[in-house]
Amino acid sequence: DTEVTQTPKHLVMGMTNKKSLKCEQHMGHRAMYWYKQKAKKPPELMFVYSYEKLSINESVPSRFSPECPNSSLLNLHLHALQPEDSALYLCASSWMRTSGQTSYEQYFGPGTRLTVT
Amino acid sequence: GENVEQHPSTLSVQEGDSAVIKCTYSDSASNYFPWYKQELGKGPQLIIDIRSNVGEKKDQRIAVTLNKTAKHFSLHITETQPEDSAVYFCAASSRDDKIIFGKGTRLHILP
Repeated sequence: DTEVTQTPKHLVMGMTNKKSLKCEQHMGHRAMYWYKQKAKKPPELMFVYSYEKLSINESVPSRFSPECPNSSLLNLHLHALQPEDSALYLCASSWMRTSGQTSYEQYFGPGTRLTVT
Repeated sequence: GENVEQHPSTLSVQEGDSAVIKCTYSDSASNYFPWYKQELGKGPQLIIDIRSNVGEKKDQRIAVTLNKTAKHFSLHITETQPEDSAVYFCAASSRDDKIIFGKGTRLHILP
């Protein structure tokens, strides 16, 4: 089973709202990722968690706040977003984080379609 | 850092024919090359990958080839079917432990 689940599927929020995206995997993977994907573009890496610790932050604005409560769950807390933040937010997981000469398959969830009004 | 170029951006093939998508990468240290298929409204799905110690890998109708010297890798889909219509992304590992994606190829299978 290579399933990563994400909730909600769709989210519409105003610029003053606070909302959270949730991601879950039960494959025993120790690395989890958040990506942002704009229409007709490839996914762009935002954050990487390895063993529940933040290991990569791709200079993402502080209005996006990731959290990894345990090895199966990954959250993305959203606050004071801008309309340009509207996108598909993808979660992915892999056995371990890519490191040096060893890369591991990343499996993606279906994404949350976020619209900021 | 790593840079991945992908061609073509759009590809239309007759059902039953073969489709080939090509990618090049810049960093000779990259050693892992996954391919993802993304259907409308869905997340990317890993369909095949290849590591730098292998020149070719096949899984039923899809195959990937890697030329390390030229820094090229390609996806081949044979006997294309309507359900192969999607956007395909190639990717490469990078020195700073990330996966770098190509810009994608929109594949249309014509009836």
